[in-house]
Amino acid sequence: DAMVIQNPRYQVTQFGKPVTLSCSQTLNHNVMYWYQQKSSQAPKLLFHYYDKDFNNEADTPDNFQSRRPNTSFCFLDIRSPGLGDAAMYLCATSSGIQETQYFGPGTRLLVL
Amino acid sequence: SQQGEEDPQALSIQEGENATMNCSYKTSINNLQWYRQNSGRGLVHLILIRSNEREKHSGRLRVTLDTSKKSSSLLITASRAADTASYFCATDKGAAGNKLTFGGGTRVLVKP
Repeated sequence: DAMVIQNPRYQVTQFGKPVTLSCSQTLNHNVMYWYQQKSSQAPKLLFHYYDKDFNNEADTPDNFQSRRPNTSFCFLDIRSPGLGDAAMYLCATSSGIQETQYFGPGTRLLVL
Repeated sequence: SQQGEEDPQALSIQEGENATMNCSYKTSINNLQWYRQNSGRGLVHLILIRSNEREKHSGRLRVTLDTSKKSSSLLITASRAADTASYFCATDKGAAGNKLTFGGGTRVLVKP
C-alpha cells in the first residue's frame, strides 16, 4: 500500500546532540512537509518542499534544517536539540499545496 | 490567532450519541479539510470541502460549510468508542499557493 513512513518512531537524544529524523513516501507526491506538534496543540508547520524548492516558515528556528535528496525521502535535522524541542514530529505529503495531506505515524522526540 | 479555530476544545459523549464540532476561520478559503488524530499517531484525512460546496458526507460523517459565516461543522453520527480522537480543521487562505493551517483541535471522548 502507498504510504508515508517515518523512522524511528521514538528517538531519544541528549541536549545539544544533533539528531536526524527521516520520512519516506511511496505516493510520488510533489510536496513534503515537516510539522512539530506538542502535547494537546495543533501541528505547527516547520517547512515544506515543493519538488526541490525549499520553503521555510518565518518562525522556524535556524536549529531546524531539512534535506530532500529525491522525491521519496525527506529528512529533518535538528542541529542542537534543546529541551523545548521535545515533541512529536510529523511528516506529510500532498500532490499540491492545498490538497489532501497524508501523514506518517510521527516520530516522538525526547531530549534528555 | 489561528486561521482555523475549533469549538468546543473538548467534548465527551456516550456511545451512540452524535458529536458536533465547529471550525471558524478568518479569511476567504479555497477549501477546508477535517482530519482525525488518534492519541500518539499521525493525522488521518477525513473530508475536504471546497468553497463552492455546502455539505459533504462520508459514512457517518457530515461536514457543512458556510462561507458567509466563515464556519464549518463536522457531525459524527452514532458515535463509537473508536471515534475517540482529536479532530482538526485545516484551511488555506484562498490565494493559490497558500498552504494549510491547522486549528487547535477538538478532543472527543466517546464513552462506551
